[in-house]
Amino acid sequence: GDSVTQMEGPVTLSEEAFLTINCTYTATGYPSLFWYVQYPGEGLQLLLKATKADDKGSNKGFEATYRKETTSFHLEKGSVQVSDSAVYFCALSHPQGGSEKLVFGKGTKLTVNP
Amino acid sequence: GAVVSQHPSWVICKSGTSVKIECRSLDFQATTMFWYRQFPKQSLMLMATSNEGSKATYEQGVEKDKFLINHASLTLSTLTVTSAHPEDSSFYICSARRGLGWETQYFGPGTRLLVL
Repeated sequence: GDSVTQMEGPVTLSEEAFLTINCTYTATGYPSLFWYVQYPGEGLQLLLKATKADDKGSNKGFEATYRKETTSFHLEKGSVQVSDSAVYFCALSHPQGGSEKLVFGKGTKLTVNP
Repeated sequence: GAVVSQHPSWVICKSGTSVKIECRSLDFQATTMFWYRQFPKQSLMLMATSNEGSKATYEQGVEKDKFLINHASLTLSTLTVTSAHPEDSSFYICSARRGLGWETQYFGPGTRLLVL
């Protein structure tokens, strides 16, 4: 079945450091790929998405490119801020039997220190 | 933005009792709501999908008699963990979809259940 693997956390960075959170997936066909973010005490929020190969999703300075050849969707940000501290989830959706389901990775906790 | 709330945010109960968790869409009507559970250091796992006014669709391996889901209105879905046991201790998350596509799905903050 479909699955998502993302790098183990936690990740601790200093402010203005470069961030990469790796995500790879296993799925048949061409799933849509997502990154969700969960700030402390809040629900998951959609951060960005890509629906086909070579698409780049971007939002709030974060980017991820849908790489079909490497089945990857790594999240990057050039300069993180303290306010980016959160848990990040990679996910995919793949229509199965006419209905779509979201399949999540385990989440990566990011802490950014001033 | 769209807001989804869950109540309670955490609950401790004795083994054998039942616990009800509410999920509400506060500022929109949700035709579809989803229930997930998350074990420590594990992925969110979809438990069931519920549509207002109809029976929930449970994922394979989820006991529907154990996890009762009621979606009585367009703004409220409830998950009842019946005869809870310590292995049911987990983080339960609901989400509500306002329209079509994952961009219209909004998540609640989750409910942590501890069964003693």
